[in-house]
Parts: sequence; C-alpha cells; structure tokens
Amino acid sequence: NAGVTQTPKFRVLKTGQSMTLLCAQDMNHEYMYWYRQDPGMGLRLIHYSVGEGTTAKGEVPDGYNVSRLKKQNFLLGLESAAPSQTSVYFCASRGTGKTNSPLHFGNGTRLTVT
Amino acid sequence: TQLLEQSPQFLSIQEGENLTVYCNSSSVFSSLQWYRQEPGEGPVLLVTVVTGGEVKKLKRLTFQFGDARKDSSLHITAAQPGDTGLYLCAGAGDSSYKLIFGSGTRLLVRP
Repeated sequence: NAGVTQTPKFRVLKTGQSMTLLCAQDMNHEYMYWYRQDPGMGLRLIHYSVGEGTTAKGEVPDGYNVSRLKKQNFLLGLESAAPSQTSVYFCASRGTGKTNSPLHFGNGTRLTVT
Repeated sequence: TQLLEQSPQFLSIQEGENLTVYCNSSSVFSSLQWYRQEPGEGPVLLVTVVTGGEVKKLKRLTFQFGDARKDSSLHITAAQPGDTGLYLCAGAGDSSYKLIFGSGTRLLVRP
C-alpha cells in the first residue's frame, strides 16, 4: 500500500504566487490533516477534515485554504504565498476519531517562498 | 489553548548511554502518543498511552503517562545510533479529532 502520498515533494514560489499541495490516501480513512513543521516548533495544525465535504480550522489557518471533495484527497491551497509560509508541509490521515488511533503521515512537501 | 512542552530540545549522547525525554503540559489529555521522525520522512507512531500511570515498553524504549495525564516521558536504555531521530509527543486536544504536537527532541547517538 502506498499509504499517504504528497505531491509535489519540493517547490519554490515567489511572493504572491499561488499553488496547491495534494494529499492522497488509499486507506479509506475518514480523517485527514495538514500540518506545517518549522525548526524548533514541532508540527502545527493548519486545517483538518473529518469526512468528505467537511473542513475545519486548526491552530494556524491564516493564508491557507483546503478542500475535501473526495474522501481520499485533501488539498491545501496557498492563494498568495508569503515568505512566512516557507516550511515543510505534512499531510496525515487516520481511520477513526478515537484519540488513540495513529496518524499516518506522508513524506512531506518542502516549500520555499522567496 | 493546550500546549505540550518537550525537553530537552536537543540531546547528543554516546552509544550505550541512557536518556530520558520529557513531555509536559498544564492540560489534561485523554491520551498521548509518541512519534519518531527521520530526515526526509513523516513521523511514525511508536506508542499510545491512555491510562494515567500507564507504562509501556517497546524493546529498549519505556514510555510512561503521568498519573494526572498531563505529562509523559520516554526513556531509552543503552541508546544505539539507530535511535537517532526527532522524537515528538502528541496529545489529543480539546476536540478528539485534533492532535497537538510538542516541539520535539532531536536525539543524536554517536557510535
């Protein structure tokens, strides 16, 4: 199984450009998440989804939008990129809402905004 | 806002030494998870603890959940170079859907 797949793996944007990060999971998981990881700050939740057609804000949602049109896909959009959005972005999924079910992560997208 | 603080932030030790990593909060968590992350990859779950005072062992790794479910520790016995990585604790937030992550402990085990 591929698990959670993120595309692209790397991207460089200029300030003001837009882009979409794609996350796909083949485990039929209901819950999907987007995190960003910055040095010394662990993982911070941007947005999440508890099912197809639903999305909710996390800790740091400003400057990002998301969509969950299909259960297996969760898209993260940057409408107007800023240097502060330079980070490594991780998508994750899990099968149930139980707090002890594991998160399955992709391998990340490294984004640089110049 | 629920926060998780990890200490130390960075640890460099010699192969064979023991170490403990701490994860602390002022909030109560219904469960707490530990993940390990290697360069260029996403975090991978090591263990989940759900009961106050619970102790779980995974080979040379021992995980403990505090009695009040506000803190946790990870103890590694006789560390090996293969233990090198970023260790992250994560607790279920106000909503059971969300996991709040600590800032991480970067461990380097020198041969």
